[in-house]
Amino acid sequence: QKEVEQNSGPLSVPEGAIASLNCTYSDRGSQSFFWYRQYSGKSPELIMSIYSNGDKEDGRFTAQLNKASQYVSLLIRDSQPSDSATYLCAVRAYSTLTFGKGTMLLVSP
Amino acid sequence: NAGVMQNPRHLVRRRGQEARLRCSPMKGHSHVYWYRQLPEEGLKFMVYLQKENIIDESGMPKERFSAEFPKEGPSILRIQQVVRGDSAAYFCASSPSQGNTEAFFGQGTRLTVV
Repeated sequence: QKEVEQNSGPLSVPEGAIASLNCTYSDRGSQSFFWYRQYSGKSPELIMSIYSNGDKEDGRFTAQLNKASQYVSLLIRDSQPSDSATYLCAVRAYSTLTFGKGTMLLVSP
Repeated sequence: NAGVMQNPRHLVRRRGQEARLRCSPMKGHSHVYWYRQLPEEGLKFMVYLQKENIIDESGMPKERFSAEFPKEGPSILRIQQVVRGDSAAYFCASSPSQGNTEAFFGQGTRLTVV
């Protein structure tokens, strides 16, 4: 059974702070890792992908992967109220793309 | 540069009717995933298809649900004899291939069974 675990939150941070979102996965054969953002009532939107150990930065977002610990994280710098959404971690192992239940992020002005 | 297109956006069916949901992948994409999402819950994997081939259907209920992705035309998720518990948002995502590639979502179909 492939599992992807996330803290459901909500994670509350003030505007301008760093938001840190975490995810663990069970399948050691997992090969690629993604972060999606989903606003209420909308579809998931891909914001980051990461395939190898280490950090990957894209604008205000940094994804971190540690395959030995089976751990993926997403850092959002200079958080904005518009970042308030549910963040979904997704893991691909072979054919299946499995999602966690998501962490709700609330950024207060 | 059209994204993943799903239709209809909203679908109302009476109990016992059939629901047919369509998904046209992004240009150049030949793989499609279908997911179901209940309110306040995560995305539950249903099926993964390549054109004319089902790659993984481990998340599909054994009865009433089927999916196809023909050589021509959109992928179809079919739900026969719908029940109220089928009410949910159904999303499809497409990717270029089976490897380490990104998947992009359509806007979803909200199915309501009355």
